[in-house]
Amino acid sequence: GENVEQHPSTLSVQEGDSAVIKCTYSDSASNYFPWYKQELGKGPQLIIDIRSNVGEKKDQRIAVTLNKTAKHFSLHITETQPEDSAVYFCAASPGSNYQLIWGAGTKLIIKP
Amino acid sequence: EAGVTQFPSHSVIEKGQTVTLRCDPISGHDNLYWYRRVMGKEIKFLLHFVKESKQDESGMPNNRFLAERTGGTYSTLKVQPAELEDSGVYFCASSQDLDSGRFFGPGTRLTVL
Repeated sequence: GENVEQHPSTLSVQEGDSAVIKCTYSDSASNYFPWYKQELGKGPQLIIDIRSNVGEKKDQRIAVTLNKTAKHFSLHITETQPEDSAVYFCAASPGSNYQLIWGAGTKLIIKP
Repeated sequence: EAGVTQFPSHSVIEKGQTVTLRCDPISGHDNLYWYRRVMGKEIKFLLHFVKESKQDESGMPNNRFLAERTGGTYSTLKVQPAELEDSGVYFCASSQDLDSGRFFGPGTRLTVL
């Protein structure tokens, strides 16, 4: 079955710098890759997703890249702000009719 | 529009006791999911309802866990009897259909002593 590895487990960056979180997956049939942000006391919230027919997707300060050959995808946050501090989860799925397989999460800390 | 709500937010019980978690999905969402995150690890799928029917319960760890969704509205997840390894955060999510985004509730933190 699918296995998703996420790194790093904790990431601390200076406010204004960029943050990159990486995930690898094992099942070449996976074609949907969402990223979730979980703030303290709240549930995970979808922030961006990418499907395997594209290599990159951007939404303001966040972007996701996908390398199907290497089976890895990354979340990039530029010009980080204090409100970006949260736990970020990646996930993979063979499609919308299948369940998501999640990474273990990355705690992102933005230092003022 | 009200989001997904879960009750209680925290529950501390002793090993062997019973606990029931409740999830109220967004009104009109036929799909309801239960997930669990054990401390520091990945979020794991437990089961998926479509209306009142269990579509997929392949993630349920064992028969100590029972989920119901009578009438296709709110859902309950009962753990009986609870064991230490059941501790974690239980999330519920709902979606209008399979292709649309899943909205998560804030979770119930369960601690079994």
